[in-house]
Amino acid sequence: DPKIIQKPKYLVAVTGSEKILICEQYLGHNAMYWYRQSAKKPLEFMFSYSYQKLMDNQTASSRFQPQSSKKNHLDLQITALKPDDSATYFCASSQGTSNQDTQYFGPGTRLLVL
Amino acid sequence: QQQVRQSPQSLTVWEGETAILNCSYEDSTFDYFPWYHQFPGESPALLIAIRPVSNKKEDGRFTIFFNKREKKFSLHIADSQPGDSATYFCAASAASGSWQLIFGSGTQLTVMP
Repeated sequence: DPKIIQKPKYLVAVTGSEKILICEQYLGHNAMYWYRQSAKKPLEFMFSYSYQKLMDNQTASSRFQPQSSKKNHLDLQITALKPDDSATYFCASSQGTSNQDTQYFGPGTRLLVL
Repeated sequence: QQQVRQSPQSLTVWEGETAILNCSYEDSTFDYFPWYHQFPGESPALLIAIRPVSNKKEDGRFTIFFNKREKKFSLHIADSQPGDSATYFCAASAASGSWQLIFGSGTQLTVMP
């Protein structure tokens, strides 16, 4: 059974629209993250959450908003989509005791903005 | 500078050879250095990691060599197999802050049979 679920697997959106990427982890972890992977920037950190509180935000744009409704959920809302947002978005999680905990990555959501 | 530099961008070796992938960093606060591998269409997965208290970490055919003074670390894959063909990312993380992993740009490794 997959331990980190990301939905949807593929997503096509039009420029200017809004989408929500879903992430749920069943590893009992307390820290969750979002990373983005594109041809321009192979693996880029976006957000980190610990016990549902934002630890860090490295995205330059407020169009990206994480949402944590439960400890094991960290969704990503993206508004006013642009073609440059096209990428694979990976959710990850770790135990949440230190930076040396292994971060496990979900299968990713591939977003294409037309 | 929170950057991790990785080379080469791509590497081709023959089956049985040792593949060597290199990374360097500048931020002295980094204290955790993992290597991830990623197969096409899949997500990154942890391969092996090292902490600066050690200068070497082995796990089967995979070895990390760490040079704290020069701020460099490398991944050696001994007896390379075609199944090792993947993209390898080095990363670094600091104890303080957000625990973010700062990734290198990746090395695409191809092992020829």
